Amino acid sequence: GNSVTQMEGPVTLSEEAFLTINCTYTATGYPSLFWYVQYPGEGLQLLLKATKADDKGSNKGFEATYRKETTSFHLEKGSVQVSDSAVYFCALTLSGGYQKVTFGTGTKLQVIP
Amino acid sequence: EAQVTQNPRYLITVTGKKLTVTCSQNMNHEYMSWYRQDPGLGLRQIYYSMNVEVTDKGDVPEGYKVSRKEKRNFPLILESPSPNQTSLYFCASSDQKSGTARNYEQYFGPGTRLTVT
Repeated sequence: GNSVTQMEGPVTLSEEAFLTINCTYTATGYPSLFWYVQYPGEGLQLLLKATKADDKGSNKGFEATYRKETTSFHLEKGSVQVSDSAVYFCALTLSGGYQKVTFGTGTKLQVIP
Repeated sequence: EAQVTQNPRYLITVTGKKLTVTCSQNMNHEYMSWYRQDPGLGLRQIYYSMNVEVTDKGDVPEGYKVSRKEKRNFPLILESPSPNQTSLYFCASSDQKSGTARNYEQYFGPGTRLTVT
């Protein structure tokens, strides 16, 4: 079956530090890959996505590149802010009539001033 | 404003007392889904619906029921809640018609925190 593995959290960084959150996946077929973010007390919202190998998704200073050879989709940001403190979920879905979405367990990021 | 709404946001109940969590979306999406979020387990899908009157089980359907009588609404029903259903629940919707399946974005509600004592 399909699965998504994320690095364990929580991750604590100082403001302006470089962020990497690792995500690897297992899928039958060629998935689309997503990063969702959950701010405290809110639902998840899409942060970025990539639909084919070597695509780079980007948004709000975050980036992730779809690496088929390493089955990875690591999230990066060059300089984090306190407002980036949230839980980040990596997810995948396959094409087809039914879009089953598989989520990772989430990585909590805390950015301290 | 495009949104998914859930009610109630917080609920404390007792074992065995039937409850319903409502979910509504105003984006005319065909696809809707319920998830539960538990520490260390991420999001697990409970039920999903691909259209009116079309529903199916997700990964953890035991103890839950759903219905889809209207396109906009997708209530989650717990006929006899138990303490192991204490969790944070999210409803989500997405549009199967916009682009290909590979581009689908899930729109999530704000969550319902349920405690069963």
